[in-house]
Amino acid sequence: AQKVTQAQTEISVVEKEDVTLDCVYETRDTTYYLFWYKQPPSGELVFLIRRNSFDEQNEISGRYSWNFQKSTSSFNFTITASQVVDSAVYFCALSFGNEKLTFGTGTRLTIIP
Amino acid sequence: ETGVTQTPRHLVMGMTNKKSLKCEQHLGHNAMYWYKQSAKKPLELMFVYSLEERVENNSVPSRFSPECPNSSHLFLHLHTLQPEDSALYLCASSRADRMGNEQFFGPGTRLTVL
Repeated sequence: AQKVTQAQTEISVVEKEDVTLDCVYETRDTTYYLFWYKQPPSGELVFLIRRNSFDEQNEISGRYSWNFQKSTSSFNFTITASQVVDSAVYFCALSFGNEKLTFGTGTRLTIIP
Repeated sequence: ETGVTQTPRHLVMGMTNKKSLKCEQHLGHNAMYWYKQSAKKPLELMFVYSLEERVENNSVPSRFSPECPNSSHLFLHLHTLQPEDSALYLCASSRADRMGNEQFFGPGTRLTVL
């Protein structure tokens, strides 16, 4: 069975602080894919990043960075110098390459101006 | 129009009504999905269509009936719903020709069942 755990239900930080969102996954497969999505108040999920299980290289995109560690089954997401526009619910998800995405329960991030 | 669009954005219906949700994707994808998002629950995958064939039906009650007439359009027909069916219904699309493709989501339909 596959499972995604986002233990942080809600996080609030003051603008310009750095914040890390945790994601821990469970799977017995050796080939899998991990994703992060952002859901702003408007409702639609916005795709942020996709990572396959054979690529543990960390990635940085502007103020966003992702740390993938197979040894701890974690795929954490860090926002540097947070901004109010980063306020949203963030979801981590897992798939085996078929069409099924298993989502975590999400972390609601509030950036306080 | 670009991306994935959904209509209507908001819907209020009684338990005896029949209504339909519409999704359209303009990304050239060939797989489409319906998800249900309820408060404090993970997103639940309801249906998957790949190459216009239904490949997944996650034990969804028969009062929800999907239809995929072509690779760009997806419908969710609703009838005799229950108040617990009130939720945000999200449509998504992806390419079906590659492993682990990301899904692109529409803005959702906020459904309230009275």
